[in-house]
Amino acid sequence: AQSVAQPEDQVNVAEGNPLTVKCTYSVSGNPYLFWYVQYPNRGLQFLLKYITGDNLVKGSYGFEAEFNKSQTSFHLKKPSALVSDSALYFCAVRDQTGGFKTIFGAGTRLFVKA
Amino acid sequence: NAGVTQTPKFHILKIGQSMTLQCTQDMNHNYMYWYRQDPGMGLKLIYYSVGAGITDKGEVPNGYNVSRSTTEDFPLRLELAAPSQTSVYFCASRATGAIETQYFGPGTRLLVL
Repeated sequence: AQSVAQPEDQVNVAEGNPLTVKCTYSVSGNPYLFWYVQYPNRGLQFLLKYITGDNLVKGSYGFEAEFNKSQTSFHLKKPSALVSDSALYFCAVRDQTGGFKTIFGAGTRLFVKA
Repeated sequence: NAGVTQTPKFHILKIGQSMTLQCTQDMNHNYMYWYRQDPGMGLKLIYYSVGAGITDKGEVPNGYNVSRSTTEDFPLRLELAAPSQTSVYFCASRATGAIETQYFGPGTRLLVL
C-alpha cells in the first residue's frame, strides 16, 4: 500500500535562512513524487514533481526537492526563505505502474518569520 | 481556460438534508477526484473517476455518491448530511498518464449543523 509521511506538523524558519520540509514515502513499485502548496482559503497548487533522472528537482518559486531512493525520502528545500513562503505544504506519491490514486501526506505548515 | 471550478464556495447544511457539490473542468481531463480536507488530516480521497460513466470509491466514500455523465462534470452528492461531513471539499482533475499533475479547484467549505 502507498503511504506518505510528513513528520513535522510545523516548520519555523527565519527569513533569509534555508528551509527544509521533510517527506518520506512507501510504494510497492517506483514512485512519482509531488509537492503542492496551499495558501489560506485556496486549493492546492503544484510546485514540482519527480519522475525519473536527476535526484534534484527544481520547481516553482525557487523551491527544489531531493529524491533519495535508499532513504525513500523527497524533502522540499529552498536556499533562502521568504515571508511569502508561509503556507501549508503537501507531499504526495503515485505508483509508476499507473495507479489512479495519488496519496497525500498530512501536510506541514511552514512559518517564515521576518 | 478556467481550470477546475467548484460551486458553492461555502454552504451551511442542516443535519439530514442533502445537497450536491458541483465540479467542472475545461481541460478535457479524463481523471477526476473528490477529496475532503480536515485539519491536520491532509487530503482523504472520497471518490474518483477515470472517465465518463466510470467511478470508484476512495478511502472515505460513506455518506457520499458521485456520477460522471460527461467528461467535464463530476458532482458529489451528500445524502442525509451529518456533522462529521463538515469539511472542506476539493475537486481535482488530471490528464491520463501516471506522470500527469493534478489540478485542484478552489474548494467548497461545508458546515453541517
